[in-house]
Amino acid sequence: AQKITQTQPGMFVQEKEAVTLDCTYDTSDQSYGLFWYKQPSSGEMIFLIYQGSYDEQNATEGRYSLNFQKARKSANLVISASQLGDSAMYFCAMRETSGAGSYQLTFGKGTKLSVIP
Amino acid sequence: EAQVTQNPRYLITVTGKKLTVTCSQNMNHEYMSWYRQDPGLGLRQIYYSMNVEVTDKGDVPEGYKVSRKEKRNFPLILESPSPNQTSLYFCASSYATGIGEQYFGPGTRLTVT
Repeated sequence: AQKITQTQPGMFVQEKEAVTLDCTYDTSDQSYGLFWYKQPSSGEMIFLIYQGSYDEQNATEGRYSLNFQKARKSANLVISASQLGDSAMYFCAMRETSGAGSYQLTFGKGTKLSVIP
Repeated sequence: EAQVTQNPRYLITVTGKKLTVTCSQNMNHEYMSWYRQDPGLGLRQIYYSMNVEVTDKGDVPEGYKVSRKEKRNFPLILESPSPNQTSLYFCASSYATGIGEQYFGPGTRLTVT
């Protein structure tokens, strides 16, 4: 089974509208972390937001918020007021423990977001 | 400036010719890792290291080697590259806790003919 599932290969959103990118995860760890990264066409990986499994409040960073629903194992990214520069690939990732004091990151396959003027 | 650097950024090579991709970070991070990115597959972890002289296999380690002799450097070695290792490679680093951002390098685009 996939550890990180992003069910939307591609999405379109009108400029200035809000958009939600879906991410579900699968882990048996009690302590884990969830990340979202943006990859524009230039190729670099840009960190957007982080949520720890014990954080009670949803993480927010400017126009980005992470809708964390622990019981449903979902960590959706919400982008408010979309801009043309938001057009990019978006990756959800999870940090899990892996042996004594170590951890691994697993990425989803990504969602390509296109913002329409 | 806090950064992860990778060299080279682009490389075209032939099957079987050993190569090394260097990775260096200036943030005193304990954790470093290598990923490969292929279309439709996202990023997959190749190897990771929690500290000097401590390395572990990720999800796709076959055909790769790493070493961590210094905290700041984590080179990726392809002893005998094959065409199926043509990919975009990223190095990343973070603190040992794993909380918060993983800092990524700019990527190395490797083509093996």
